[in-house]
Amino acid sequence: SQQGEEDPQALSIQEGENATMNCSYKTSINNLQWYRQNSGRGLVHLILIRSNEREKHSGRLRVTLDTSKKSSSLLITASRAADTASYFCATGPTEGAGTALIFGKGTTLSVSS
Amino acid sequence: DGGITQSPKYLFRKEGQNVTLSCEQNLNHDAMYWYRQDPGQGLRLIYYSQIVNDFQKGDIAEGYSVSWEKKESFPLTVTSAQKNPTAFYLCASSPPYRVYSNQPQHFGDGTRLSIL
Repeated sequence: SQQGEEDPQALSIQEGENATMNCSYKTSINNLQWYRQNSGRGLVHLILIRSNEREKHSGRLRVTLDTSKKSSSLLITASRAADTASYFCATGPTEGAGTALIFGKGTTLSVSS
Repeated sequence: DGGITQSPKYLFRKEGQNVTLSCEQNLNHDAMYWYRQDPGQGLRLIYYSQIVNDFQKGDIAEGYSVSWEKKESFPLTVTSAQKNPTAFYLCASSPPYRVYSNQPQHFGDGTRLSIL
């Protein structure tokens, strides 16, 4: 069961521009995580935001969480060609102790120089 | 360096054959996961475990089996019952789930399985 839905499915921008991708989910969560996947590789954890947090920063990444709207956004500022990858949100549901993360289908970001 | 190693990188299966994908971790993590990823799709959970030798089925466990006898190794067997096994398989680990808090997962670089 996939809970997270990323939007847009694909995004193309120029180097130096900001990239914003969104994630919506359906059930209550304990935290929400963002991951990056380069083509043909495994996922890399970027940032985790807890359900009682509204905003979090890590370098050029800014994540917001609105639990009332069940949505999150990932902003990458001053994008670089190396940011080209797929980005996934993953939610940790509160129902069921020990339940695994649920991943969305991802946003494919292309940054051209 | 600690991490997760998946092997082989590419694997081919004949009809009616079982194949086993290897996943080794040296992160001393207590939770392990297997995912399947189809082109342009997200990750679908096959099996996971929070305790050695105690497995939980994910969303698409049919046609797959796992074993976890020692912490460092969590192999996945794709059986002949899995009729459409062509996909990218990812193994991940994490520190144990804590009350109301899923932990970040560390991933291997995957195995691409194809049917001959």
